[in-house]
Amino acid sequence: NAGVTQTPKFQVLKTGQSMTLQCAQDMNHNSMYWYRQDPGMGLRLIYYSASEGTTDKGEVPNGYNVSRLNKREFSLRLESAAPSQTSVYFCASSYREGNTEAFFGQGTRLTVV
Amino acid sequence: GDSVTQMEGPVTLSEEAFLTINCTYTATGYPSLFWYVQYPGEGLQLLLKATKADDKGSNKGFEATYRKETTSFHLEKGSVQVSDSAVYFCALSRRGTSYDKVIFGPGTSLSVIP
Repeated sequence: NAGVTQTPKFQVLKTGQSMTLQCAQDMNHNSMYWYRQDPGMGLRLIYYSASEGTTDKGEVPNGYNVSRLNKREFSLRLESAAPSQTSVYFCASSYREGNTEAFFGQGTRLTVV
Repeated sequence: GDSVTQMEGPVTLSEEAFLTINCTYTATGYPSLFWYVQYPGEGLQLLLKATKADDKGSNKGFEATYRKETTSFHLEKGSVQVSDSAVYFCALSRRGTSYDKVIFGPGTSLSVIP
């Protein structure tokens, strides 16, 4: 009964370093999302994937890349981290058909120094 | 484009007070509407939802009614508790041509004091 699993939970990077945030869901959902959450700004969509093999930019995609490795996994990569990318990152998934709710992971708190 | 607007916070209430958090939306078609709650240090979790006009979602004493004529989905609770302190997000979900697009409001922080 895992739902949406994100790793790592915490990470500190130096400016210019790269890293990949991992996300996996076990609910057979087609749609997956990456959001960032910043104080006073709510959740902003970085990238989403409507189905396996497809990805699209959201509201704030600059500085990020994603890979929908298979139906279960959707990773977010920071190629060259910047202090402006300090945030809490959430992965989410939802069913494709109909109007349905999103299920969230526990989040990754990333600090770029 | 689609959007969700929420009342600005933070909101501070005394225990047992009445809570209303306003939410209005803009969307084409017939979206589903949701309230999510985020407790400190945790991810978002669904609080309640409504999938069509005039539906009322309810859970844990919270209620919200889908009002298509006013494009609103206000969250209410008759008597809040300290344990209700959290950030509340209004959201909509609409079927696009090939995906479900979920859009969140900015969130409203609620603090309940004893």
